[in-house]
Amino acid sequence: SAVISQKPSRDICQRGTSLTIQCQVDSQVTMMFWYRQQPGQSLTLIATANQGSEATYESGFVIDKFPISRPNLTFSTLTVSNMSPEDSSIYLCSGSGTSGTYNEQFFGPGTRLTVL
Amino acid sequence: GNSVTQMEGPVTLSEEAFLTINCTYTATGYPSLFWYVQYPGEGLQLLLKATKADDKGSNKGFEATYRKETTSFHLEKGSVQVSDSAVYFCALSDQAGGSYIPTFGRGTSLIVHP
Repeated sequence: SAVISQKPSRDICQRGTSLTIQCQVDSQVTMMFWYRQQPGQSLTLIATANQGSEATYESGFVIDKFPISRPNLTFSTLTVSNMSPEDSSIYLCSGSGTSGTYNEQFFGPGTRLTVL
Repeated sequence: GNSVTQMEGPVTLSEEAFLTINCTYTATGYPSLFWYVQYPGEGLQLLLKATKADDKGSNKGFEATYRKETTSFHLEKGSVQVSDSAVYFCALSDQAGGSYIPTFGRGTSLIVHP
């Protein structure tokens, strides 16, 4: 299994600013993902964070808006750029592919973002 | 593409009632199937999983059986508790191009009253 932590746990930001969310895993994972979740709604996959290369973005999400880094197998960051109130959401990081698992995902506790 | 369909919520039950949350899927490959639970204010946690046909995943009194013939993975519990109130997500993980791509259902909220 893997334990995932995220920082910050919540933030309130002004329109037009950027926020970087950090995701730390306590063991190496093959894959890391970033999701967005509106309160009471399902997960929307933003991108797959690839180690040492550009992230793979889902339809509707672009690198200029959500730049992602993954310098190694245990750490990733997601930046929400030039924020607007529509970006207010919960952002979740997950990892999968630890030894002995069947590609189940381990999730961080989430970052609750409010944009004013 | 792959997809997961869950029954709409919320599901509202009295304590000790029987729970079923339906989940069906479509997949191009031979996926692994999962149920995740999200308690209020927390991230998702794996509840149970099944990796091949007829496998039964179980945990904390919850069960789900991988039915390939009906492409289903329904979640059941014989007697729910107030502490089971949460959102439940059905999900699959399928291999594509050497990577395992996750697909989640929309989630089903469960509310258990004393």
